[in-house]
Amino acid sequence: TQLLEQSPQFLSIQEGENLTVYCNSSSVFSSLQWYRQEPGEGPVLLVTVVTGGEVKKLKRLTFQFGDARKDSSLHITAAQPGDTGLYLCAGVQGNNRLAFGKGNQVVVIP
Amino acid sequence: NAGVTQTPKFRVLKTGQSMTLLCAQDMNHEYMYWYRQDPGMGLRLIHYSVGEGTTAKGEVPDGYNVSRLKKQNFLLGLESAAPSQTSVYFCASSRGFRDTQYFGPGTRLTVL
Repeated sequence: TQLLEQSPQFLSIQEGENLTVYCNSSSVFSSLQWYRQEPGEGPVLLVTVVTGGEVKKLKRLTFQFGDARKDSSLHITAAQPGDTGLYLCAGVQGNNRLAFGKGNQVVVIP
Repeated sequence: NAGVTQTPKFRVLKTGQSMTLLCAQDMNHEYMYWYRQDPGMGLRLIHYSVGEGTTAKGEVPDGYNVSRLKKQNFLLGLESAAPSQTSVYFCASSRGFRDTQYFGPGTRLTVL
């Protein structure tokens, strides 16, 4: 059973369009991290959300943590080809490790 | 600062062969992790370490062993490789388990 479910698994959009991807769980997390992974590389942290209801912005990327701290969303405004990648969410568990979702593969077509 | 480095970057093994993957970090992090990434499966934790001389099992530890003799190094061993261990392996390190994990570039392993 996957602790964190990410949807959609794959999303292809045209440059300039907006998109939203989701990370959901039945468990409560003390914090949640979003990473982006480009082909042939390791994941790189984008943001950490800690407080329920928290919204963080990183240029055209907006991250929201659900009020109950069980889910999160990532919204990209006016997507660009450089946004192409695998977006991974990871929840902090109490046993010294992160639980990763399977990822949202985003492809932005020029 | 090199961050997290992994060697080798690519390796092909025959079934039953053994090998060791080396991970090194220069950030003085206490925590280190080994993950495998397979299509459609996401990142799965194999083993991790919370400090020099310690190791612990993750989600998929069978068939792997690890050692953390020095704080900066975390070794992943495969004693008898199997085709099911064909994967991309990532090492990561962090200051604490709630903190940012810094990943290496990965090792692509194929077991024939």
